[in-house]
Amino acid sequence: DADVTQTPRNRITKTGKRIMLECSQTKGHDRMYWYRQDPGLGLRLIYYSFDVKDINKGEISDGYSVSRQAQAKFSLSLESAIPNQTALYFCATSDSTGSSGNTIYFGEGSWLTVV
Amino acid sequence: AQKITQTQPGMFVQEKEAVTLDCTYDTSDPSYGLFWYKQPSSGEMIFLIYQGSYDQQNATEGRYSLNFQKARKSANLVISASQLGDSAMYFCAMRRPSGGYNKLIFGAGTRLAVHP
Repeated sequence: DADVTQTPRNRITKTGKRIMLECSQTKGHDRMYWYRQDPGLGLRLIYYSFDVKDINKGEISDGYSVSRQAQAKFSLSLESAIPNQTALYFCATSDSTGSSGNTIYFGEGSWLTVV
Repeated sequence: AQKITQTQPGMFVQEKEAVTLDCTYDTSDPSYGLFWYKQPSSGEMIFLIYQGSYDQQNATEGRYSLNFQKARKSANLVISASQLGDSAMYFCAMRRPSGGYNKLIFGAGTRLAVHP
């Protein structure tokens, strides 16, 4: 089983609909992130959270919101989806203690298509 | 500004040969970390190797090694004895050190094709 699990893995939604991508992790890490990847580009940071009470905007937070429900759970919402939010979304985690070399570990990705 | 550059959009290598994927970075911070990730066609991002800016020796992980040249600000990935399963996109990334925040900035990636 994956240490960082994203649901759904694939979703097609209509413009204007609200959609939530969920992420859960069993790594025991305190930090969690949401990234988006567009074709031909690397990943860009949407939001990040260093603990349950800490939420921060990344490079491209407009149109997105997040919720850190527990240390192990971090969800991303598109309040009113638009076609240019079609992308591959990644949840990621890291450990602030540095025991894993500050490595960021990614989930398997969620393909979202907005039509 | 902090930036990662991967100048090779695509690379080809014969199975069992070694290949080097280029990565240069730009930062004025003395402390930073460099990562390589592999993304197969299935989409997941797989961590390969990490190099800290103060590490004296080049990082190695199995068939992966990182050729770290700090003065040139390069962190090239070397894959030895290529296998067909190495065909994938490869991303170089740098951890932003500001405030201890563990955020990554990514290059555009290099697509590696391993031929039999």
